[in-house]
Amino acid sequence: DTAVSQTPKYLVTQMGNDKSIKCEQNLGHDTMYWYKQDSKKFLKIMFSYNNKELIINETVPNRFSPKSPDKAHLNLHINSLELGDSAVYFCASSREGGASYEQYFGPGTRLTVT
Amino acid sequence: ILNVEQSPQSLHVQEGDSTNFTCSFPSSNFYALHWYRWETAKSPEALFVMTLNGDEKKKGRISATLNTKEGYSYLYIKGSQPEDSATYLCASPGKAGTALIFGKGTTLSVSS
Repeated sequence: DTAVSQTPKYLVTQMGNDKSIKCEQNLGHDTMYWYKQDSKKFLKIMFSYNNKELIINETVPNRFSPKSPDKAHLNLHINSLELGDSAVYFCASSREGGASYEQYFGPGTRLTVT
Repeated sequence: ILNVEQSPQSLHVQEGDSTNFTCSFPSSNFYALHWYRWETAKSPEALFVMTLNGDEKKKGRISATLNTKEGYSYLYIKGSQPEDSATYLCASPGKAGTALIFGKGTTLSVSS
């Protein structure tokens, strides 16, 4: 059973389009995260949700909007895609948001904007 | 802003060698220190979460130590094997309750 799953795995789209990436965890965790892996392979936090509530929103453009319909899902919607949005996006979850608990990562979604 | 630094950036060893890497973090307002193993084309997997000064944790041939007063953690791999080849990430939260700030990783390559 996959603990943290993301769909799609690959996403190729054109500039200006709107797209969504879905994330689901079946671990019963309370906290979920979105990370962006940049061109230098550096993992950077974007958002964190705890029990469907946003608790961290790093300096991410307004075009990125996370949505958590329930605590097992955290989707990432991106409006007006730009070339610079091309990256690998990782979803993760942890038991709680206090950072004393290990995080479980999804397989990543490689977004390519042309 | 919390800076988590890792060294070396990359390392190449022969099978059977033992090796270690360093993670440095600000010693003030310490909360936790995480180590993750990230194989190519896969997602990061947690190795250790350490919270107490002097903590030592071990998983098979991999172990880690923590010094919160001087702000560093070491990851040791004993008798490296080719399957240990991966990028090893450390991370620490900026303050209690915030998400992890990751270092840039140490990429280990083990040749047989």
